[in-house]
Amino acid sequence: AQSVSQHNHHVILSEAASLELGCNYSYGGTVNLFWYVQYPGQHLQLLLKYFSGDPLVKGIKGFEAEFIKSKFSFNLRKPSVQWSDTAEYFCAVTSGGSGNTGKLIFGQGTTLQVKP
Amino acid sequence: GAVVSQHPSRVICKSGTSVKIECRSLDFQATTMFWYRQFPKQSLMLMATSNEGSKATYEQGVEKDKFLINHASLTLSTLTVTSAHPEDSSFYICSARDGRGLSPLHFGNGTRLTVT
Repeated sequence: AQSVSQHNHHVILSEAASLELGCNYSYGGTVNLFWYVQYPGQHLQLLLKYFSGDPLVKGIKGFEAEFIKSKFSFNLRKPSVQWSDTAEYFCAVTSGGSGNTGKLIFGQGTTLQVKP
Repeated sequence: GAVVSQHPSRVICKSGTSVKIECRSLDFQATTMFWYRQFPKQSLMLMATSNEGSKATYEQGVEKDKFLINHASLTLSTLTVTSAHPEDSSFYICSARDGRGLSPLHFGNGTRLTVT
């Protein structure tokens, strides 16, 4: 069965610090990978996604993630965080290719707190 | 952009009563909708896949007689928590995709259910 593990549960950073949130998944086949963000009081929003092609994907608000197939990882990065990045971040995976059902398996989430 | 509306955002009910949660796609037709449940400090867990015009597909361990799902139109899916108990208190989130294969999911704002 698919599973997603996010290593950091709670991260506290100062503004302008660099961010990297870890995400590992377990699934042997083709996968589609996602990072979602949930700002306080708001719904989940898609930050970025990987389906195929360039393993380094760029998303909104300066976020990027790198798919490393050999490590089953899809870590999220941002070179310089802002106070407005304070939110909950979720990594998610679904079967890719013809096996894509749209059913997302989520990681536990990481709470990011950015201090001004 | 695509919007998914979920209603109500909060509901408090007494033990033994039933609660209906609506999920609407506002500017696209959603042939498939998904219902998730999120416990505090935990990840989103997929409960069921709702397909327009057919029976929902429930994940293992989810009681289909307790969590009734109806997807009667291309823009509306409902989740009814029947005979609610305090342990059903949770955050319920729906998502929808517009049927175009690998298009990402769009999430509703979620419903906070509290059963007293």
